[in-house]
Amino acid sequence: GENVEQHPSTLSVQEGDSAVIKCTYSDSASNYFPWYKQELGKRPQLIIDIRSNVGEKKDQRIAVTLNKTAKHFSLHITETQPEDSAVYFCAARGGYQKVTFGTGTKLQVIP
Amino acid sequence: GAGVSQSPSNKVTEKGKDVELRCDPISGHTALYWYRQSLGQGLEFLIYFQGNSAPDKSGLPSDRFSAERTGGSVSTLTIQRTQQEDSAVYLCASRSLLSYEQYFGPGTRLTVT
Repeated sequence: GENVEQHPSTLSVQEGDSAVIKCTYSDSASNYFPWYKQELGKRPQLIIDIRSNVGEKKDQRIAVTLNKTAKHFSLHITETQPEDSAVYFCAARGGYQKVTFGTGTKLQVIP
Repeated sequence: GAGVSQSPSNKVTEKGKDVELRCDPISGHTALYWYRQSLGQGLEFLIYFQGNSAPDKSGLPSDRFSAERTGGSVSTLTIQRTQQEDSAVYLCASRSLLSYEQYFGPGTRLTVT
């Protein structure tokens, strides 16, 4: 089955700096890669996603890149703000539509 | 419109008791997922329903866990003879047939004492 690894597990950045979270996956049939943000005590919410036919996608301060050959994808947050502090999960969806999540990255933005 | 709802929001039960957790997906969403999130951990896939197809049960950790989806809508996750290691937040998510995005419910926090 699919295996998704996520690094780092914790990340602290100064406000205004960039944050990068990286994930790798194992199943070459995976075709959809969402990123979720989970604030303390709340449900995960989709912040950006990318499909396997696209190499990069941007939405304001957030961008995701995908390297299908290397089977890795990354989340980039620029100009970080305190409200970006949360746990971020990457995920990969395979051919059978099962979604496998990474173990999460706790991002702390220091004012 | 209404999002995914789950009940109860919190459940405290004694070890050995059975519990039922309920998920109401977004109306019209044909896909429904159950996940388990232990404290400070990631989301562990449990089971996936898609329309009338046989569910993907590959994530259920033991035969004490089962789930049903009646009428293609509401789903119930049942844990029999609960153990302390079952303590976690159980999250439900639904998705429409033509979309990739999953919408999560608020979760049920299960505590087994």
